[in-house]
Amino acid sequence: IAGITQAPTSQILAAGRRMTLRCTQDMRHNAMYWYRQDLGLGLRLIHYSNTAGTTGKGEVPDGYSVSRANTDDFPLTLASAVPSQTSVYFCASSDGTERNEQFFGPGTRLTVL
Amino acid sequence: GQNIDQPTEMTATEGAIVQINCTYQTSGFNGLFWYQQHAGEAPTFLSYNVLDGLEEKGRFSSFLSRSKGYSYLLLKELQMKDSASYLCAVKDSNYQLIWGAGTKLIIKP
Repeated sequence: IAGITQAPTSQILAAGRRMTLRCTQDMRHNAMYWYRQDLGLGLRLIHYSNTAGTTGKGEVPDGYSVSRANTDDFPLTLASAVPSQTSVYFCASSDGTERNEQFFGPGTRLTVL
Repeated sequence: GQNIDQPTEMTATEGAIVQINCTYQTSGFNGLFWYQQHAGEAPTFLSYNVLDGLEEKGRFSSFLSRSKGYSYLLLKELQMKDSASYLCAVKDSNYQLIWGAGTKLIIKP
């Protein structure tokens, strides 16, 4: 693995179903993030984690949950998917330097019908 | 509220120069990023400004004026591969990134 991986690449989901989007990084970054990206809108932060064992809510956390059991993994769960959660989801991590640049995974395209 | 404004779309000609502007109103300022995002791909880092002035990196330069809440990304000698969206993001007082909606740049031959 080099960088950040996400799975699945894309998914079509029936409304009401539970879904977990996976994110793994091998850069040993402390901070990780989940964003959604919708046409005409900027990246919106869903949840973040500054270090393993801690998580925080972003701008649009409702309907989503996260966990951070270790440094490498940061899964995002939709407990009961709704059509408004149709979006492209990006996981990112940052290096903790003063600049704190974020590095992004390839994204998961999720469609909720 | 927090707000970042960028033009939705711009068109330029191969070989020319284009300037993409970004204005921001945020709760605090701790740096500004520009990212490039090709269609269907993840954003990738282009530049970072924390002090006023111009940062140059090859064909790309980024300028910041903190007093005016303004930045621009300057792309020179445009190539077809520069067709992409360009995202402006500001690190606020909580060190979270606030993202603009992005500027779609179309390059014509």
